[in-house]
Amino acid sequence: DQQVKQNSPSLSVQEGRISILNCDYTNSMFDYFLWYKKYPAEGPTFLISISSIKDKNEDGRFTVFLNKSAKHLSLHIVPSQPGDSAVYFCAAKKSSGDKLTFGTGTRLAVRP
Amino acid sequence: GAGVSQSPSNKVTEKGKDVELRCDPISGHTALYWYRQSLGQGLEFLIYFQGNSAPDKSGLPSDRFSAERTGGSVSTLTIQRTQQEDSAVYLCASLKTGGTTEAFFGQGTRLTVV
Repeated sequence: DQQVKQNSPSLSVQEGRISILNCDYTNSMFDYFLWYKKYPAEGPTFLISISSIKDKNEDGRFTVFLNKSAKHLSLHIVPSQPGDSAVYFCAAKKSSGDKLTFGTGTRLAVRP
Repeated sequence: GAGVSQSPSNKVTEKGKDVELRCDPISGHTALYWYRQSLGQGLEFLIYFQGNSAPDKSGLPSDRFSAERTGGSVSTLTIQRTQQEDSAVYLCASLKTGGTTEAFFGQGTRLTVV
């Protein structure tokens, strides 16, 4: 039962363009969402998060959008840079004290 | 160091042997997770410790897997009678409270069962 889904296993974009990574979830009890970035041979690193009381959170080049009615969130990276090439994981949790449930990841490649 | 530390970074073991993986969380972090990532797969939840509460063991794949957290700090994940399908990167993460703060991950232990 995959409660957090990233349906695109890979994405390739040109440097300077926008990267949009998508994530869908099925559990309406999730109320906090996070994006992590993972380079090979390293642990995931936290990128940005959003609470269910918001629909947008922005941090520099990274913006996360949340559509609760559609149970969908997306991560926008603009402008994309070659150093952004990594695997991006979407994660969700229900509340304080809950485990993080991860999606299967999307591999982003930014072409110079 | 200030981050989550895992040891060993790499472990090769023979099928049927037991292994222990260690995680040193960030000091003061009360919650600790174990995940694993098999080749080409996402992050699979294994177990979650939160303070003095009973751990959430719902992700452990079989009774060959166990974990403990001593003194609310260091955690050990033990796999008994390892099988080839146990080969994966085992990741530990800690966070300050059980609240909506982000979890910080270690670099992982790459386990290879031959």
